[in-house]
Amino acid sequence: KQEVTQIPAALSVPEGENLVLNCSFTDSAIYNLQWFRQDPGKGLTSLLLIQSSQREQTSGRLNASLDKSSGRSTLYIAASQPGDSATYLCAVTRQAAGNKLTFGGGTRVLVKP
Amino acid sequence: EPEVTQTPSHQVTQMGQEVILRCVPISNHLYFYWYRQILGQKVEFLVSFYNNEISEKSEIFDDQFSVERPDGSNFTLKIRSTKLEDSAMYFCASSVPGQGGKLFFGSGTQLSVL
Repeated sequence: KQEVTQIPAALSVPEGENLVLNCSFTDSAIYNLQWFRQDPGKGLTSLLLIQSSQREQTSGRLNASLDKSSGRSTLYIAASQPGDSATYLCAVTRQAAGNKLTFGGGTRVLVKP
Repeated sequence: EPEVTQTPSHQVTQMGQEVILRCVPISNHLYFYWYRQILGQKVEFLVSFYNNEISEKSEIFDDQFSVERPDGSNFTLKIRSTKLEDSAMYFCASSVPGQGGKLFFGSGTQLSVL
């Protein structure tokens, strides 16, 4: 059974510092890994999707890496801003479509002005 | 950008009552999902739906739950007799082949069972 873990559970940094969020999964037979952002009481916004054959994906200040063989992904957020304060979730799936995502517990980020 | 729409955003019900949560997936999507998140816990998969039938369900999705796509645009989750432990945020999602398995989530329905 796939288990996804995110460490740390919470993180507080001053504005401008780079953020490093970690995600690990126990079963390396994944199809893709997604990073989501969740604001309090809100839905899930997809940030980045990495296919199992890829090593990284970038979007603006966000960069996600994937080491499938070791069961790890890292989300980097450069030059953090107070607006980056949210919970960040990673999730993996085994198949291209119609298959469930297994989520980590999230990392709650606070960026202090 | 197209989005998944969920209604209502909040639902309060009495224990034992039936509730129906509604979702309008993105129009050309073919796979539909329900997830839930109990306060302070992980987001959990409930069910996936394709070609008018359930393709996968979790152990949470027991006989109290059912899903339906009644009219080609709506996708509903029914809980027949709600329990206190059904209180959670329920998320609908949809996906389409060719996008690498990317799921698009709605903003959720917060269900409170009293």
